[in-house]
Amino acid sequence: EVQLLESGGGLVKPGGSLRLSCAASGFNFTNYAMTWVRQAPGKGLEWVSLIRAFTGTTNYADSVKGRFTISRDNSKNTLFLHMNSPRAEDTAIYYCVRVRLFCKTGSCNNFDSWGQGTLVTVSS
Amino acid sequence: DIQMTQSPSSLSASVGDRVTITCQASQDISTSLNWYQQKPGRAPQLLIYDASNLETGVPSRFSGSGSGTDFTFTISSLQPEDIATYYCQQYDDLPVRFGPGTKVDFK
Repeated sequence: EVQLLESGGGLVKPGGSLRLSCAASGFNFTNYAMTWVRQAPGKGLEWVSLIRAFTGTTNYADSVKGRFTISRDNSKNTLFLHMNSPRAEDTAIYYCVRVRLFCKTGSCNNFDSWGQGTLVTVSS
Repeated sequence: DIQMTQSPSSLSASVGDRVTITCQASQDISTSLNWYQQKPGRAPQLLIYDASNLETGVPSRFSGSGSGTDFTFTISSLQPEDIATYYCQQYDDLPVRFGPGTKVDFK
C-alpha cells in the first residue's frame, strides 16, 4: 500500500524558514516524480513544485519560485520542501503527492496518491 | 499559463440525481485533464484521468468526457458518499493548474 506521511508543519514567522518532509513507502520511490500541492484555508488546490524521478530536475509555481526548494533523498525515500522567507499567503495545508506517468492505458500524468497533509501557518 | 474554469461553483442535488460539472481550459489541452474528489477534511482523490479514463477502484457512476478546451464530469446517480468538492486539473503544460472547484451537496 502506498503511504505518504508529511511532517514538519507548524507555526513560522514571516521571513523565517521551515522544512517539510514526506516519508514514502509501499512503492519504488526512486522511480516516481513527486510534487507538492497546497490548499489555503477554505480555498482550492494550488500546485507548488515538482521534482522528477531520474534527472532530479525541478519546477516551481511563480508564487514560490526563488523562496521554496524541493529536493529528495532516494536513499531514505523522503521528499522535502524547504520554505524560505515564507509569507502570510503561504499559510496552507501542504500535500505530498506521487506523480504517475504510466497507466494501464499507456502514458499518463496524474496525481494518484496523496498524503494527509501538514498545516503550515505563517504568522508573527 | 493555462487557466481553468469550472461551473457551477456549487450545486445542490438529491440522491439518485444526475450531476454534471463542466470545466473549460483557456487553450487546447487535448485530453490532458484529470478530475479529483475532495471530501471535507480529507486529501483529494483521483477519479478520472486523461479526460475519460476511470481510475481503478472508482465506481462506474463517475465518468468524464471532452477534449480540446471543454470537458464534462458526470455522476450518473448521486449517492450520499459523493458529497464533496470536485476539481479538474490540466497537465498539458506547467504550471499544472486546478480549476476552482465545484462543491456538491444535498438539497
